[in-house]
Amino acid sequence: DGGITQSPKYLFRKEGQNVTLSCEQNLNHDAMYWYRQDPGQGLRLIYYSQIVNDFQKGDIAEGYSVSREKKESFPLTVTSAQKNPTAFYLCASSTSGTGNIQYFGAGTRLSVL
Amino acid sequence: KNEVEQSPQNLTAQEGEFITINCSYSVGISALHWLQQHPGGGIVSLFMLSSGKKKHGRLIATINIQEKHSSLHITASHPRDSAVYICAVRAGNQFYFGTGTSLTVIP
Repeated sequence: DGGITQSPKYLFRKEGQNVTLSCEQNLNHDAMYWYRQDPGQGLRLIYYSQIVNDFQKGDIAEGYSVSREKKESFPLTVTSAQKNPTAFYLCASSTSGTGNIQYFGAGTRLSVL
Repeated sequence: KNEVEQSPQNLTAQEGEFITINCSYSVGISALHWLQQHPGGGIVSLFMLSSGKKKHGRLIATINIQEKHSSLHITASHPRDSAVYICAVRAGNQFYFGTGTSLTVIP
């Protein structure tokens, strides 16, 4: 079955720790995205990648880093510089091109210990 | 000011009712998306629109480009329709998301 898989479902971060959220897709999509969702707010774009080995900052990239070494994978690292990391993180993918439908993963809920 | 505004924020309906969720946006767009987020958090794309109207089962989405407005209608609502419905627009390389409408359908 084609789809987009995020792991883990729940993640806890200690003070000063970096954590990495996994996102894998087998839809052969060129574009991948990371969003953060906070209560009462719309999804906000953290980073996106239109093609392998290239990625762009979104609206709230500070304190996060990504890599896109393979088409299928777009991991997000929440660094210790992100002072308010508690949120629901969603990964999505789409074919390249304007306005294409994004397919979302099930999300990762990150909490701070 | 948000580029995408949804109304209402919360909506409770009796099973069988006709439901309308509205979305207004302030930017020039290439496409508008309606998304459904279930309590577990997963998001499903329902529609992508650039003009006119689309229908899928009991769901109908319309868009008026001149008025920068879209509506999502659910006919014969059912408790399994209970979810958060999110309007999103694509403007250039940017996606803008509404804050969502939380729908509860009571049996």
